[in-house]
Amino acid sequence: GQQLNQSPQSMFIQEGEDVSMNCTSSSIFNTWLWYKQDPGEGPVLLIALYKAGELTSNGRLTAQFGITRKDSFLNISASIPSDVGIYFCAGRNAGNMLTFGGGTRLMVKP
Amino acid sequence: SAVISQKPSRDICQRGTSLTIQCQVDSQVTMMFWYRQQPGQSLTLIATANQGSEATYESGFVIDKFPISRPNLTFSTLTVSNMSPEDSSIYLCSVVGNEQFFGPGTRLTVL
Repeated sequence: GQQLNQSPQSMFIQEGEDVSMNCTSSSIFNTWLWYKQDPGEGPVLLIALYKAGELTSNGRLTAQFGITRKDSFLNISASIPSDVGIYFCAGRNAGNMLTFGGGTRLMVKP
Repeated sequence: SAVISQKPSRDICQRGTSLTIQCQVDSQVTMMFWYRQQPGQSLTLIATANQGSEATYESGFVIDKFPISRPNLTFSTLTVSNMSPEDSSIYLCSVVGNEQFFGPGTRLTVL
């Protein structure tokens, strides 16, 4: 099925560094969601965005709904070892179905 | 958010057999979905589980291979039939409450 273009595919960073990842699409979405998946677990919802231009924070996480409605980014500030995991973006269209990005695998070196 | 549980959490099965995965939600939900996540991949929607009627399958997935039941608004099952090693994946139940949430997944290995 259709996937969003999520980048980077993987990141290996030093603890304390900031992280940025993004998703782009050729289609317009009404909602952008960001999930984190730990090994052996299901995805956990981090942030939901419902309005073009919206900027939302959840602790050290900040995400924005692109003004064109075709992109979104997620930033993590001052990364810590427990930030390790796979981050997925997902866009929801008018049909209420989610389309997922390919994921960004984050590795943090203590 | 809804609390979603899945059983079994993992299983190792022989090819040609079938496995039924259960999904239980702690509250009534209208929309319930089943996803597959192949090793190292993103999530792919298998079907929407409809209460009281047949599931709606996505392209590439068929009822004979992935029969789904949804007897009420808190429970659903997905069966993976006549399994082959290519069916080795994580199978995830998902529900829509105030947003879309996922269960912990069932990790299936087919030998």
